[in-house]
Amino acid sequence: DAKTTQPNSMESNEEEPVHLPCNHSTISGTDYIHWYRQLPSQGPEYVIHGLTSNVNNRMASLAIAEDRKSSTLILHRATLRDAAVYYCILRDSRGQGAQKLVFGQGTRLTINP
Amino acid sequence: DVKVTQSSRYLVKRTGEKVFLECVQDMDHENMFWYRQDPGLGLRLIYFSYDVKMKEKGDIPEGYSVSREKKERFSLILESASTNQTSMYLCASSLLLAGVGEQFFGPGTRLTVL
Repeated sequence: DAKTTQPNSMESNEEEPVHLPCNHSTISGTDYIHWYRQLPSQGPEYVIHGLTSNVNNRMASLAIAEDRKSSTLILHRATLRDAAVYYCILRDSRGQGAQKLVFGQGTRLTINP
Repeated sequence: DVKVTQSSRYLVKRTGEKVFLECVQDMDHENMFWYRQDPGLGLRLIYFSYDVKMKEKGDIPEGYSVSREKKERFSLILESASTNQTSMYLCASSLLLAGVGEQFFGPGTRLTVL
């Protein structure tokens, strides 16, 4: 599985945008980029995913570099409820392995009031 | 909304006991997964299943077995619990979509083996 690299922790202020980076220099052409987050005392939850183009949904935006070797999860206006560990995961679209998620250590995001 | 439920939030067992962790999903998903989460090690996949009676080993299957007799239910079995199996166990489910199926997680079971 291709690996991702994320900062261990980040801090931001409430109501400000947050940009969470992820490096994935060994990404293959068939890998999707997925983001999940885990709030305290809960299971992970899906945030967003993309392949080549930038993506937006109600939770966040995903900006993917043109060479696909990095991506950024953008929370447009952070709230205290966004404090969580954010995981960037590459997911192969081929074969049975396509069903799996391989979690790294993620980025622990702290939001200051 | 998709719901993944796990039989217990907290469980305390003794070394050598047989332990069953049950997971049920209500959205007719083909895939079901069992992970464990430990500080400093993150989430690691134990087993997954993409159909009834089918199972695949994940990254750390040793000491565990699974059962999937019905589509909605996936059980994790610790045949003889040991203290190093003290952990948070998370179940998840997803549709069978290559590379894109969102995984829905349950709330987790914190297992302590004494």
